[in-house]
Amino acid sequence: DQQVKQNSPSLSVQEGRISILNCDYTNSMFDYFLWYKKYPAEGPTFLISISSIKDKNEDGRFTVFLNKSAKHLSLHIVPSQPGDSAVYFCAAVFGNEKLTFGTGTRLTIIP
Amino acid sequence: GAVVSQHPSWVICKSGTSVKIECRSLDFQATTMFWYRQFPKQSLMLMATSNEGSKATYEQGVEKDKFLINHASLTLSTLTVTSAHPEDSSFYICSARHGGTGGENEQFFGPGTRLTVL
Repeated sequence: DQQVKQNSPSLSVQEGRISILNCDYTNSMFDYFLWYKKYPAEGPTFLISISSIKDKNEDGRFTVFLNKSAKHLSLHIVPSQPGDSAVYFCAAVFGNEKLTFGTGTRLTIIP
Repeated sequence: GAVVSQHPSWVICKSGTSVKIECRSLDFQATTMFWYRQFPKQSLMLMATSNEGSKATYEQGVEKDKFLINHASLTLSTLTVTSAHPEDSSFYICSARHGGTGGENEQFFGPGTRLTVL
């Protein structure tokens, strides 16, 4: 059972525009959500996170939105840059338990 | 930010041999380390969770006698793939987590190790 889902395996966005990556989850016990960025043949890099008590967290070009009632979170990147091309994983966790990852979305920024 | 290293970054071995992969947290103490495996075009699959000084907890379907994990210190965990076979070829990634409180659960990932079994 996939508790964290990223339904779009890939996304292409023009440079300078906004990239929106989506993630849905089913377990209402999750209380912390994270986004990771991954380049090929490298380990994931932490990007941004959000606690379940918030609905928005912003860090520079990256903003994560959480809609608890819809069990949905999204990552906004604006403006998108070529270096943002990577695979993005959302992850969720309950307390000190293990991370549960989505299947990833490959973002391609078109110059 | 916290740095996690892995060694080696890539390894090629013959079928039937054993391979050891090291994961080190360089600037913090990691009470918990995780080992993941990534298959092509798939998400990260958690293999096991190791806590310093205790036995690793393996996920369902992961053979603990084949994937030996040792977390002997707060900065080092090792994964040994025993009697490796071509189907074990994959990208293995470790991560480490602080043991402190604060509600944050970021894991810091190593760069990964590409294992190719001939």
